[in-house]
Amino acid sequence: QVQLQQSGPGLVKPSQTLSLTCAISGDSVSSNSAAWNWIRQSPSRGLEWLGRTYYRSKWYNDYAVSVKSRITINPDTSKNQFSLQLNSVTPEDTAVYYCAREVGYYDSSVKTYYFDYWGQGTLVTVSS
Amino acid sequence: SSELTQDPAVSVALGQTVRITCQGDSLRSYYASWYQQKPGQAPVLVIYGKNNRPSGIPDRFSGSSSGNTASLTITGAQAEDEADYYCNSRDSSGNHQFGGGTKLTVL
Repeated sequence: QVQLQQSGPGLVKPSQTLSLTCAISGDSVSSNSAAWNWIRQSPSRGLEWLGRTYYRSKWYNDYAVSVKSRITINPDTSKNQFSLQLNSVTPEDTAVYYCAREVGYYDSSVKTYYFDYWGQGTLVTVSS
Repeated sequence: SSELTQDPAVSVALGQTVRITCQGDSLRSYYASWYQQKPGQAPVLVIYGKNNRPSGIPDRFSGSSSGNTASLTITGAQAEDEADYYCNSRDSSGNHQFGGGTKLTVL
């Protein structure tokens, strides 16, 4: 059974960096069949995918256009976890942040990807 | 703004059948996945692929897809099914998008 445990501060000042960590148990951040994602949710923006990191003989990252200039997602193989850093935050970055495992395969020749395990969520408030 | 479109709210009488739909161009290339979210909780995967349920999801939940529309059907809705439901798929650039969510009320 895969479990994702999030940690990090719940309050960040404007213009500073939001940092969260997601510790993985029951799988490996270096898995060749999974990707490790960050997703956030706010009343104004709904569920918003932020980005992912994954290993396929080498490390890859994909980021949402909306945050691409400010985001970094890094794996930490020594601790089997991955992290989110979001720079230059504003109050619009206030949200519940989730980490999630993504898997994908072909179902009847059609590609499908889904998030099967989620972290517990962390409410991050951007305020001075 | 979401590129997957869902009705904001749907209601169903207890024990009846309800269909929640999701429309978007990416659904012509990828199957949707569906998530149930109750207040204060993380989303839970209920349907993925052509019509697959994770372990522990009741068989009253089913999925289907046609053209640019994916559907989640609950056959014999129960009080505990009252929740927000979100669809999701990847797009051609590999990014994920979520629908705006449908609030299901069980009457």
